Amino acid sequence: EVQLVESGGGLVQPGGSLRLSCAASGFTFSSYWMSWVRQAPGKGLEWVANIKQDGSEKYYVDSVKGRFTISRDNAKNSLYLQMNSLRAEDTAVYYCARVGTTVVTFDYWGQGTLVTVSS
Amino acid sequence: QSVLTQPPSASGTPGQRVTISCSGSSSNIGSNIVNWYQQLPGTAPKLLIYSNNQRPSGVPDRFSGSKSGTSASLAISGLQSEDEADYYCAAWDDSLNGVVFGGGTKLTVL
Repeated sequence: EVQLVESGGGLVQPGGSLRLSCAASGFTFSSYWMSWVRQAPGKGLEWVANIKQDGSEKYYVDSVKGRFTISRDNAKNSLYLQMNSLRAEDTAVYYCARVGTTVVTFDYWGQGTLVTVSS
Repeated sequence: QSVLTQPPSASGTPGQRVTISCSGSSSNIGSNIVNWYQQLPGTAPKLLIYSNNQRPSGVPDRFSGSKSGTSASLAISGLQSEDEADYYCAAWDDSLNGVVFGGGTKLTVL
């Protein structure tokens, strides 16, 4: 059974940093692109970043470029999102998702971890 | 303001057929496939339709998708109370070089 479990969310002050983790199991992690998608409270879904199987290609939404870094450790079956210079508008539930047959096919999702940026 | 435009709400009675539209442009829907996601209250999103009109295993055939030009649609026939959820369309955008979602449509079963 495919499982994605996020961790690392919490309350952080504006300008602060946070590192999210996603532990994957039930599939060959190194064979799939992976992604982070976020959802602000009461709002819609927003794609944040994608990373290729070997980490050689990464894509980001413009609003996080230069502040967020997606990475992975295939030996640990883990996906990460390093978030720096956090802003109030980054407050959201962050979902880890497996990318399936196409780049927009998020076929499995984690339960999400809440990041709150506030003073 | 989302790149893909969806109506904020839709509704229907049990047994009815409802459709949800998703409007984009030549850089996204016009040149790439569209997926649909269902998000039940308090849960993570779930893949509902991929590659415009394909259903993952386990998704009832009451759900169907279509695409024409720069627009796509999700149709739900034989509406059931458990279909009450938020629905999102998604596509790759060649200009933005990223995935774009619609703003979401809240479906209410009356």
